[in-house]
Amino acid sequence: EAGVTQFPSHSVIEKGQTVTLRCDPISGHDNLYWYRRVMGKEIKFLLHFVKESKQDESGMPNNRFLAERTGGTYSTLKVQPAELEDSGVYFCASSQDNYRVSTDTQYFGPGTRLTVL
Amino acid sequence: SQQGEEDPQALSIQEGENATMNCSYKTSINNLQWYRQNSGRGLVHLILIRSNEREKHSGRLRVTLDTSKKSSSLLITASRAADTASYFCATDEASGGSNYKLTFGKGTLLTVNP
Repeated sequence: EAGVTQFPSHSVIEKGQTVTLRCDPISGHDNLYWYRRVMGKEIKFLLHFVKESKQDESGMPNNRFLAERTGGTYSTLKVQPAELEDSGVYFCASSQDNYRVSTDTQYFGPGTRLTVL
Repeated sequence: SQQGEEDPQALSIQEGENATMNCSYKTSINNLQWYRQNSGRGLVHLILIRSNEREKHSGRLRVTLDTSKKSSSLLITASRAADTASYFCATDEASGGSNYKLTFGKGTLLTVNP
């Protein structure tokens, strides 16, 4: 079974440009998450989808970030316009929906390293 | 300090030795998970321990959880050079409803010297 995949693995853009990151979760996983690690800091939660619905987007930094998950399969995270402080590694994770427990194992993708110049 | 804070920040040992990393957190949790990240790669899930569990084993890994002290430890026995990586604990807060958001610490950088 394929794991969580992310594309691209690296992206270098200039300030003011737009970048779209993609995440393909493990097949059959209803839950999809985006996290970000800015240099030297902790990995921080951005948002959580259950199927195509945004369950929690409390971690999104500002309205320059837009996440979608049309059809409840893959997800995109668009940054427009990108700023210098957006540089970091963006991780996607997915988990099955398990009603027996409140949280199930989250499986992470390899991340997209974003550099804004 | 922040939820899911690991110590030490860095640990260097010789191959064959045991490595112990600790994690402290502040709020009540449902579960605590440990992840590993090799340089430049993604996070690999190692083990999940639920709040009603005290100890869990997986191969050379042993995780303990003390909810009264809000702390966890990860023990890697008979370490290998391939265990060199950053190790993170992640907690999810028991907020009464379904809360899947993980809170990570800054991690412990483990270096195993051959």
